[in-house]
Amino acid sequence: GENVEQHPSTLSVQEGDSAVIKCTYSDSASNYFPWYKQELGKRPQLIIDIRSNVGEKKDQRIAVTLNKTAKHFSLHITETQPEDSAVYFCAPPRAQKLVFGQGTRLTINP
Amino acid sequence: NAGVTQTPKFRVLKTGQSMTLLCAQDMNHEYMYWYRQDPGMGLRLIHYSVGEGTTAKGEVPDGYNVSRLKKQNFLLGLESAAPSQTSVYFCASSPSRFYEQYFGPGTRLTVT
Repeated sequence: GENVEQHPSTLSVQEGDSAVIKCTYSDSASNYFPWYKQELGKRPQLIIDIRSNVGEKKDQRIAVTLNKTAKHFSLHITETQPEDSAVYFCAPPRAQKLVFGQGTRLTINP
Repeated sequence: NAGVTQTPKFRVLKTGQSMTLLCAQDMNHEYMYWYRQDPGMGLRLIHYSVGEGTTAKGEVPDGYNVSRLKKQNFLLGLESAAPSQTSVYFCASSPSRFYEQYFGPGTRLTVT
């Protein structure tokens, strides 16, 4: 997407380890930062989001951290499980619309 | 609630043919979106609507038209299909601009 960079593009981790995906955006006025998960052959679904008035949000094994100064936010998955294998997209706003990153394919190895 | 539904699920078109994809939502959402998803390209916004009777262009609008005559429906039209429009099309809806988007199951379109 325009001015949205997501890294890495692929990530392979051992089951039980942690995974971190980073999203860099360009619009300094952005104030909403979501992460979507898309399993193979399925529709994207929101897994966690954060607004600019907080720096971190956790929901069980997943968390999102925000660095507004550096204009990036990251998805953290701890104690990874096989069902975490999917493509993950960040979607920060730009010009009043969400712009999806190119995705990170996460593979959990048993 | 069915959420967001899309019709059809699959379609094969010949170059130059036309078709309409239908998206319906039963959540009373104001905002509706059409995306296309190509390998390695993520989701790219084609057109969107901020309410009944409104439409606006997204990132890749060329070759597509849309209409939102009823709040619950958002139609995507291809007037003259081209092989470059082979893709998976997702519709989504949300209650407001910066809020969770709920996606439909997708339509796989092949243009030969």
